[in-house]
Amino acid sequence: NAGVMQNPRHLVRRRGQEARLRCSPMKGHSHVYWYRQLPEEGLKFMVYLQKENIIDESGMPKERFSAEFPKEGPSILRIQQVVRGDSAAYFCASSPEGGGYGYTFGSGTRLTVV
Amino acid sequence: KQEVTQIPAALSVPEGENLVLNCSFTDSAIYNLQWFRQDPGKGLTSLLLIQSSQREQTSGRLNASLDKSSGRSTLYIAASQPGDSATYLCAVKDLGGYNKLIFGAGTRLAVHP
Repeated sequence: NAGVMQNPRHLVRRRGQEARLRCSPMKGHSHVYWYRQLPEEGLKFMVYLQKENIIDESGMPKERFSAEFPKEGPSILRIQQVVRGDSAAYFCASSPEGGGYGYTFGSGTRLTVV
Repeated sequence: KQEVTQIPAALSVPEGENLVLNCSFTDSAIYNLQWFRQDPGKGLTSLLLIQSSQREQTSGRLNASLDKSSGRSTLYIAASQPGDSATYLCAVKDLGGYNKLIFGAGTRLAVHP
């Protein structure tokens, strides 16, 4: 049981480039969540997905950010035309159902925009 | 709108002390509350999960209590060790709405030998 796998662990992008962050949930988990942690701040919810469906994207910035969880493969968080303010740690979590028995988090992807 | 506050923001103690970390939330209509540990530059490790119907959970030297009506939870760490040094995060899952956690900003704990 490998847990929630995120890659890459560290990602450096120049301003204007695209960043793609991947998350493979724990085996048997069909619910995926993305959170962002800005420096010296707590984690903020971004988006909640089930296979092929975005359930709640109330925490996603309106522009440049998108997420998907396809039928096959990992969940992807995509940030287009990155800016310095996007530099943060992005964490993925998964649960077997709606989180009634807690969430398991990955180790995160640390994005640095230069 | 649910808000979660953790006090203190930082704590530095000598090894061996018993500690209490506090978490408060503004809306008592929660489904559960989860305590996490985060080491610098690392991910989150789940410590304890308390369902809304429960009053406390224990794991080893850790004990978490929940008083839903007053909007409070405490994490008690017995006989602290340098290896306990980390940031401790409290998060609530609300009733209703969609599934997401609302996090506090954390308590940064340093236990020195």
